Amino acid sequence: QVQLVESGGGVVQPGGSLRLSCAASGFTFSSYGMHWVRQAPGKGLEWVAFIRYDGSNIYYGDSVKGRFTISRDNSKNTLYLQMNSLRVEETAVYYCAKDGVIREMDYWGRGTLVTVSS
Amino acid sequence: EIVMTQSPATLSVSPGERATLSCRASQSVNSNLAWYQQKPGQAPRLLIYGASTRATGVPARFSGSGPGTEFTLTISSLQSEDFAVYYCQQYNNWPLTFGGGTKVEIK
Repeated sequence: QVQLVESGGGVVQPGGSLRLSCAASGFTFSSYGMHWVRQAPGKGLEWVAFIRYDGSNIYYGDSVKGRFTISRDNSKNTLYLQMNSLRVEETAVYYCAKDGVIREMDYWGRGTLVTVSS
Repeated sequence: EIVMTQSPATLSVSPGERATLSCRASQSVNSNLAWYQQKPGQAPRLLIYGASTRATGVPARFSGSGPGTEFTLTISSLQSEDFAVYYCQQYNNWPLTFGGGTKVEIK
């Protein structure tokens, strides 16, 4: 069965950096695109970034462009999100999600909480 | 950016009744629309993709319609486990965007 397990969340000061990881199992990781999606406390979902199965195409939400970097290591079945210059309003649960038939997200991890606070 | 608008924000429904949720896109997204269900403390779950195709394991009481700019998620007879927040998402254009959600609560 598909499993996605995020890690790396925690408390960071405004302007700081954090790297999230997402360990994938139960499917051929190297054959699927992957997403990061976040959800601020009590708020809706916000798509953050996407990386194609081979890393050849990458897309970002406008609010994180230039500060966040999505990457993957297919040899380790792991997805990453490097987050720099973090802002208070980016406090959220960060989910990784597997790409489906086109660009829907068919499997999600449980998320990791990132708290940006001084 | 394509803006997704969901209505109503909250829908109060009795168990066994029909629920109809709406999602409007600011421009056509063809059939590139998905619906997700989220329960408190849980990750979202894919229900519908391609505007009307049920994801694996999703009960037949969930159905979706489109395409274009106006989409509907219908739950034909609400069960207790269906009370949750529902989000639509377009994947026709980058950046991908979600609607603000509709909370389905017990009447």
